[in-house]
This record gives sequence, structure tokens and C-alpha cells, in this order.
Amino acid sequence: AQRVTQPEKLLSVFKGAPVELKCNYSYSGSPELFWYVQYSRQRLQLLLRHISRESIKGFTADLNKGETSFHLKKPFAQEEDSAMYYCALIREETSGSRLTFGEGTQLTVNP
Amino acid sequence: NAGVTQTPKFRVLKTGQSMTLLCAQDMNHEYMYWYRQDPGMGLRLIHYSVGEGTTAKGEVPDGYNVSRLKKQNFLLGLESAAPSQTSVYFCASSYAGWETGELFFGEGSRLTVL
Repeated sequence: AQRVTQPEKLLSVFKGAPVELKCNYSYSGSPELFWYVQYSRQRLQLLLRHISRESIKGFTADLNKGETSFHLKKPFAQEEDSAMYYCALIREETSGSRLTFGEGTQLTVNP
Repeated sequence: NAGVTQTPKFRVLKTGQSMTLLCAQDMNHEYMYWYRQDPGMGLRLIHYSVGEGTTAKGEVPDGYNVSRLKKQNFLLGLESAAPSQTSVYFCASSYAGWETGELFFGEGSRLTVL
């Protein structure tokens, strides 16, 4: 089955510490993966996509095909990074492609 | 430019009651979606639409119906609400489907079924 898994429901770090949010996927072809973020009282929004190989708000995510992972990393966490993070995968089905989300990880950055 | 707007934002229903959630977008997007968000389960696709007059089932369509009579609106209906439908519902839209991976979300509608 094509899916993404986020093994940590909650993650807590201190300000200035490195942070890594884990995302593992199962996919038979070349996956297209994304990270979405939902800050408190704000809309869910796209943070970054693996194909862009970009850094947004200091976050990066590298696709590791060998480990089937797409972990989100930031070297120095800030309090404003506290949010719910979702990993997402474009999944191919007979009816067409669709975006499927992981379970989400709630990140708390403590002062 | 409001983006994606959902109404109502909060609603409490009794088991068996019906209601409709309205989603409106002003970005001229072809694709619209309804997801539900539950703790530990992420976002799950209920129904979606690839254009005016079309609808399709997602992962968890049972107990819900949808309609897309106008391009800018996507309605989600619960004919006979059940406690299992207590959730936060998110509408989203996109210009070109899932290919870009970028969906634009509404603020969510919190529904409680007693």
C-alpha cells in the first residue's frame, strides 16, 4: 500500500536545539513528497516539496530512497516553529492520483 | 481575496440530525476537496471534485454526500449525523489537481455530534 507514516505524535525540543520530524513512506515508484504545517489558529499550508529541494523557514527535507524516508530537519529550532506538521505523498490509484497525509506530529519548542 | 472560506466554523448536532457544510473559494480553482482531521489519524479524504458538476469518493465517503453545482462552491452534507462523525472538517482547493501537491485549505469546521 502507498502510504506515509509519522511515528511520533508528539515531539518536544528546546529553543536552539536541532529538530527532526520523521516521515517514512511506502511507494513502489518515484514518490512525490511534501510537508505541510498548521500553526495554532492558522490554516494548514504547504511548507515544502521534495522536488524543489528548497529550504523554507530554515527547514529542509531530503528524500532518502534507501531508507524510504523524508525527514524534516532544522538545525536550530525556534519557538515559532511550534505547530502540527504533516507529511504527505501523492498516491497513484486506478481513479487517478491523490494526496494522502500522515498522522501528523505536534512539535513544541520550549523556551 | 478570501481564499477558501468554510461555514459554519462550529456546530453541535444531535445524533440523527442533518446539516450541510459550505465551502467557497474565490481563486477560480477547478479542484475542491473535503478532508476530516482526527487525532492520530491525520487528514483523510472524504470526497473531492475535479470540476463543476463532478464529484468522486475519497477514502472515507460513507455517511456523507457532496455537491458541486457551482465552480466556486463545494457542499458537504451529513444526512443523519452519528457520533463517529465528530471531527474537524477541512475544505481545500487547487488549480491543477494533486500534481503540484499544493492545496489551499480553509480554516476548518469543528463538528460535534452528541
